Amino acid sequence: DTAVSQTPKYLVTQMGNDKSIKCEQNLGHDTMYWYKQDSKKFLKIMFSYNNKELIINETVPNRFSPKSPDKAHLNLHINSLELGDSAVYFCASSQGAGDVNEQFFGPGTRLTVL
Amino acid sequence: GQNIDQPTEMTATEGAIVQINCTYQTSGFNGLFWYQQHAGEAPTFLSYNVLDGLEEKGRFSSFLSRSKGYSYLLLKELQMKDSASYLCAGMDSNYQLIWGAGTKLIIKP
Repeated sequence: DTAVSQTPKYLVTQMGNDKSIKCEQNLGHDTMYWYKQDSKKFLKIMFSYNNKELIINETVPNRFSPKSPDKAHLNLHINSLELGDSAVYFCASSQGAGDVNEQFFGPGTRLTVL
Repeated sequence: GQNIDQPTEMTATEGAIVQINCTYQTSGFNGLFWYQQHAGEAPTFLSYNVLDGLEEKGRFSSFLSRSKGYSYLLLKELQMKDSASYLCAGMDSNYQLIWGAGTKLIIKP
């Protein structure tokens, strides 16, 4: 009974392609997040989303877009992939928004752009 | 700007005690989190402090001084399985986490 799951775990693709990473949480949480962790290990927030509000980190290129079909899912679509997009992408969720809550992370997706 | 600073790497001996420091600057403050991340795995929650002082949880303790913008994570009776990166994260006034780069802790026998 995985709390936050992501697929695929590994993704290798060519520059210029479009790809998606799926995320699902079965914790009943209201808020979901996408993070990028680069080779220097910084976790950088890309998006936070609940059923009311999408907060976008202004540094994220518009090639990246979150799609939420329902409260338990937040998928990440990436268009026109670039070499610099290679990183580990983590999905996370927390109970509620605008409050102090622990975030639960998925296992990560290692994206390699060739 | 917002910033979290912590050492890049530390080494300690099995059975010993180690203290990992973190200084933070956030726009507003809603608490300080510590997460553990083993290589190739997801970060997992360790502790949360919002008031000054020490919070103890088994072998791990976390301390906060809001006036100094400072926190530390104290690990006692180190075990080999404690080898991991320890991430410090401050929560700002918008309830967003600002993350440090993590401290890689190496435990030697």
